[in-house]
Amino acid sequence: GENVEQHPSTLSVQEGDSAVIKCTYSDSASNYFPWYKQELGKGPQLIIDIRSNVGEKKDQRIAVTLNKTAKHFSLHITETQPEDSAVYFCAASKEVSDYKLSFGAGTTVTVRA
Amino acid sequence: ETGVTQTPRHLVMGMTNKKSLKCEQHLGHNAMYWYKQSAKKPLELMFVYSLEERVENNSVPSRFSPECPNSSHLFLHLHTLQPEDSALYLCASSQAGGGGYTFGSGTRLTVV
Repeated sequence: GENVEQHPSTLSVQEGDSAVIKCTYSDSASNYFPWYKQELGKGPQLIIDIRSNVGEKKDQRIAVTLNKTAKHFSLHITETQPEDSAVYFCAASKEVSDYKLSFGAGTTVTVRA
Repeated sequence: ETGVTQTPRHLVMGMTNKKSLKCEQHLGHNAMYWYKQSAKKPLELMFVYSLEERVENNSVPSRFSPECPNSSHLFLHLHTLQPEDSALYLCASSQAGGGGYTFGSGTRLTVV
């Protein structure tokens, strides 16, 4: 099955700096890559996703890049703010509607004021 | 409010108890999921229901029993659990054909 590895497991950044989280996947057939943010006491929330026919996608301060050849994808958060502090999960599946989402282990991001 | 509501938010139960977790989605989705979230581990898929039919049972012990009476409700019945079953149990829903998951806030389960 699909194996998703996520690094780093923890990340501390100064407010205003950028944060980058990287994920690799094993199944070359995977073509849908969502990212989830989980705040304390809440369930994960989808923040951005990318499909294999796109190399990069942006939404305000968040961007995701995908390298299908190398089988890795990354989340970039620019101008970090305290409210960006959370646990971030990457995931991969073969289809947007595929219930078999494989998740990374998560990255705890702390933004220092 | 995410559109997926889980109750209770917290549950402490003894190993001989029987309890149930409830999940309700108000999004018109046709697939629902149970995930287990333990510290320092990836989210573990437990069960999947699509159109009220169970399509995945990910080698989950029989002390966990799911029930999906309709497309809006999902239950997880618990009996004779072990302390290692203590975790955050997350419910999610999705619409086949597009979009990601919508998660509930979870039930924090502690088995004593």
